[in-house]
Amino acid sequence: EAGVAQSPRYKIIEKRQSVAFWCNPISGHATLYWYQQILGQGPKLLIQFQNNGVVDDSQLPKDRFSAERLKGVDSTLKIQPAKLEDSAVYLCASSLEGLAGVVDTQYFGPGTRLTVL
Amino acid sequence: AQTVTQSQPEMSVQEAETVTLSCTYDTSESDYYLFWYKQPPSRQMILVIRQEAYKQQNATENRFSVNFQKAAKSFSLKISDSQLGDAAMYFCAFSGYALNFGKGTSLLVTP
Repeated sequence: EAGVAQSPRYKIIEKRQSVAFWCNPISGHATLYWYQQILGQGPKLLIQFQNNGVVDDSQLPKDRFSAERLKGVDSTLKIQPAKLEDSAVYLCASSLEGLAGVVDTQYFGPGTRLTVL
Repeated sequence: AQTVTQSQPEMSVQEAETVTLSCTYDTSESDYYLFWYKQPPSRQMILVIRQEAYKQQNATENRFSVNFQKAAKSFSLKISDSQLGDAAMYFCAFSGYALNFGKGTSLLVTP
């Protein structure tokens, strides 16, 4: 079974530029997540999709970040314009829904390491 | 709010020895899952072990086992016969309606 795919693996941009990340979840996983992980910290959830609808985007900085999941499969996360503090690893994960709507095991992609200069 | 606390920023173990990583959590939910993830320098999060809260039996995966104390809200990870490849950041995570991670424990394995 193929895992979660992400691209690109690395990206270096200047501040105020825009950047986009792509994620393809495990086949059949309805739920998709984007996390931001700053060095030395645990992952922080940015947005959660159930099929192509947003379940939680409370921690997404909506003035500069946007995400979409067309047709309930692939997803893209965009940052425009980027700031220095956006330098981080962006992780995509997917999961099946667990019992009573509780989130079950999340499987992670390899991540995209973003450096903003 | 649900919180996950890993009180050991760093741990060290000799090859072939056993080490235990601690994790406590706080929740008012009754149905949830608990996980340990391993993150090597490549930064990919790899699932180590999963525990369902309604199961009293502690989960085991080869050299990895947990001590799940639901009343105490404690979920520690024991690594037996430690190997050099076990060196990584280990994150404890609580999953109710969202996944909450602790700050991680860096495990060093010495020959």
